[in-house]
Amino acid sequence: NAGVTQTPKFQVLKTGQSMTLQCAQDMNHEYMSWYRQDPGMGLRLIHYSVGAGITDQGEVPNGYNVSRSTTEDFPLRLLSAAPSQTSVYFCASRYGPTDTQYFGPGTRLTVL
Amino acid sequence: AQSVSQHNHHVILSEAASLELGCNYSYGGTVNLFWYVQYPGQHLQLLLKYFSGDPLVKGIKGFEAEFIKSKFSFNLRKPSVQWSDTAEYFCAVTPFSGGYNKLIFGAGTRLAVHP
Repeated sequence: NAGVTQTPKFQVLKTGQSMTLQCAQDMNHEYMSWYRQDPGMGLRLIHYSVGAGITDQGEVPNGYNVSRSTTEDFPLRLLSAAPSQTSVYFCASRYGPTDTQYFGPGTRLTVL
Repeated sequence: AQSVSQHNHHVILSEAASLELGCNYSYGGTVNLFWYVQYPGQHLQLLLKYFSGDPLVKGIKGFEAEFIKSKFSFNLRKPSVQWSDTAEYFCAVTPFSGGYNKLIFGAGTRLAVHP
């Protein structure tokens, strides 16, 4: 198994640009989540999904969209990038609500 | 405001010293509790988790944590740290109020162990 994969590893955007961060898992996990990690703030939950077709907002959803058309994929869309979205983004997945969560390697995003 | 509080942002210890990292949460009702660790340049990994039963939970690499329901706390301990324990440690909670669907993290504690 490849586990949780994320692309790209690094990205630089200009303010106002849009982009999609890709996340995929091959463990047949129902639960998938997106977090951003900022110094001194820990990991903050952006959006999460409990299965294909089901998504919900986390702690900091503004400026981000998600969809879950398949079990494997959970892309995160930045609609109009802002410098405040400069961060490291982690995708994670787990089989059920009480199971271990596995994290992807992260995407380092810089918005100029 | 975050609902998972980690009291110490930075901890510096010498090898063989004992470690205790604090974690408190503000959710009422039932919760599941986790400690994750992030070694420099690596992914987050699970250290241990608590769902029910014995409130003293043992994890990997000699770590343990104690759930004290009355104090809404889940502190992480290790009797004797090693240089290789240098990492960032995150407490996390899945509250029943969210159907256990949301895994909410604290801000993390950065531990540096000197030889």
